[in-house]
Amino acid sequence: AQSVTQLDSQVPVFEEAPVELRCNYSSSVSVYLFWYVQYPNQGLQLLLKYLSGSTLVESINGFEAEFNKSQTSFHLRKPSVHISDTAEYFCAANSGYALNFGKGTSLLVTP
Amino acid sequence: SQTIHQWPATLVQPVGSPLSLECTVEGTSNPNLYWYRQAAGRGLQLLFYSVGIGQISSEVPQNLSASRPQDRQFILSSKKLLLSDSGFYLCAWGTGLAGGQEQFFGPGTRLTVL
Repeated sequence: AQSVTQLDSQVPVFEEAPVELRCNYSSSVSVYLFWYVQYPNQGLQLLLKYLSGSTLVESINGFEAEFNKSQTSFHLRKPSVHISDTAEYFCAANSGYALNFGKGTSLLVTP
Repeated sequence: SQTIHQWPATLVQPVGSPLSLECTVEGTSNPNLYWYRQAAGRGLQLLFYSVGIGQISSEVPQNLSASRPQDRQFILSSKKLLLSDSGFYLCAWGTGLAGGQEQFFGPGTRLTVL
């Protein structure tokens, strides 16, 4: 089963600055990877996913993540963040019928 | 389109009391269903999942149980709540076989055990 590590519990960043949220997974065998976002007191929303094909995947709101097999990473990036991006971000990987989630990274965007 | 409902949204219960949280899915059939608990600073912990009516797999032994009486209904229960049961409970559904499926989450239930 896949395990997921999110290296940063909190990432403070100024508005319009770039950001990278790090995620590493344990095995490159049949790996499917996801990034979810959670706004306060809400459920999780899928941000983007990697199943196969192009290693660079993008979301509709400017985030992107790159599947790196050699480094077993799936880092999430955005070139310029907004205040509204403040949220908890979870990386996840397939594990049988379920997903294994990282412990989350809290992104705090300040003016 | 598919939607997922959870209720109640918030719940405050005394230690030792019973619990019943309900989750229903609309707009899909034969979904895989999941219960997660989210405690502060600990990410999401998978509690139970179900691939069909009456089929429940438990991931973490504890004083909680789950049932799936109907195809699109998933219930989380406890006979006696503990303080450590406090948290944010999320229901999710997914389709297809293991591996590449994404999961769709409900709005969650905030449970406080006093």
